[in-house]
Amino acid sequence: AQSVTQPDIHITVSEGASLELRCNYSYGATPYLFWYVQSPGQGLQLLLKYFSGDTLVQGIKGFEAEFKRSQSSFNLRKPSVHWSDAAEYFCAVGSSGGGADGLTFGKGTHLIIQP
Amino acid sequence: GAVVSQHPSWVICKSGTSVKIECRSLDFQATTMFWYRQFPKQSLMLMATSNEGSKATYEQGVEKDKFLINHASLTLSTLTVTSAHPEDSSFYICSAGAISYNEQFFGPGTRLTVL
Repeated sequence: AQSVTQPDIHITVSEGASLELRCNYSYGATPYLFWYVQSPGQGLQLLLKYFSGDTLVQGIKGFEAEFKRSQSSFNLRKPSVHWSDAAEYFCAVGSSGGGADGLTFGKGTHLIIQP
Repeated sequence: GAVVSQHPSWVICKSGTSVKIECRSLDFQATTMFWYRQFPKQSLMLMATSNEGSKATYEQGVEKDKFLINHASLTLSTLTVTSAHPEDSSFYICSAGAISYNEQFFGPGTRLTVL
């Protein structure tokens, strides 16, 4: 069975500082990996996804993630956070691109931005 | 990205009553729709997957007689929580996908409170 672990429940970062959110997955085949952001009152928004190819993936809002098969990780990074980045972040894994199969989500990381 | 709406955004009902939640893909035809459940401070858990015109496929542990899913058209899926009880109180999120998009788009969620 597939699973996703996000070891950090909360992370506090100062505005302008760099950010890394950790994600580890367990999946028997080649995983399709996603990072979503959830803000109150809004649906989950896709930040980026990895299917194959270049292991460093660029996403929206200045985020990037690196797929490391040897470590079963797909960590999310941003060089300089903004107060508007405060939200809940979810890592997810799927057996396909996501259009036809459900996703397995991690428990999420709550990002707090300090002024 | 494509837009998915849910109605209502929140609902309060008495124990024993049934509640219907609608999920609509507003600007594309969704071949597959998914229903997730999210407990406070928890991850999203896939409840079921539905394809237009077919019976929904439920995840293990999800009562199909309690959570009725209808996917009558390519733009509308409904989730009916039958004989709701306080333990059914949760945040229900739908998503819509199409293979051509290679991702699924999430609605803003419906907060259900059963008294």
